[in-house]
Amino acid sequence: DQQVKQNSPSLSVQEGRISILNCDYTNSMFDYFLWYKKYPAEGPTFLISISSIKDKNEDGRFTVFLNKSAKHLSLHIVPSQPGDSAVYFCAALLGVDKLIFGTGTRLQVFP
Amino acid sequence: EAQVTQNPRYLITVTGKKLTVTCSQNMNHEYMSWYRQDPGLGLRQIYYSMNVEVTDKGDVPEGYKVSRKEKRNFPLILESPSPNQTSLYFCASKLQQVSYEQYFGPGTRLTVT
Repeated sequence: DQQVKQNSPSLSVQEGRISILNCDYTNSMFDYFLWYKKYPAEGPTFLISISSIKDKNEDGRFTVFLNKSAKHLSLHIVPSQPGDSAVYFCAALLGVDKLIFGTGTRLQVFP
Repeated sequence: EAQVTQNPRYLITVTGKKLTVTCSQNMNHEYMSWYRQDPGLGLRQIYYSMNVEVTDKGDVPEGYKVSRKEKRNFPLILESPSPNQTSLYFCASKLQQVSYEQYFGPGTRLTVT
């Protein structure tokens, strides 16, 4: 049973435009949500996070929105750059030990 | 440079031949964990360790063992590998159990034939 779902396996966006990556979850007990970025042949790297008590967190070009009533979060990247092309994983933290990942969305930013 | 290292990066082995994947971090982190990544399933936690000599099972621990004798090292042991353990493995660490951000190693791609 997938508790964290990323229903779009891939997304293609033109450079300079906004990229929106979506994530849905089923467990209302999740305390914290994180986005990780992964390039080929490398491990995931932390990108941005949001506490379950907030609805928005911004860091430069990256903004994460959390809609608790809909159990939905999204990552906005604006403006998108070719270097943003990677696989993005949404993850949810349950307590302090369980980090549950989604299946990932492959973002391609083309010129 | 602060990092998590894993060895080997690539390994092809046969069913039943014991193997160990090493993981080491130089950030003095207390918490370490192992994940496997499979197509369509994302990353799933195998085992984690809150500190030296303290380990616990994650979501998919069957067929794996771990040990944490030193703070910096957290090896993953497959006593009798099977083809369903063919996967991409990641080691990760974070400062403490209550920390949010985990730092991942580069991954080990294991093929069991």
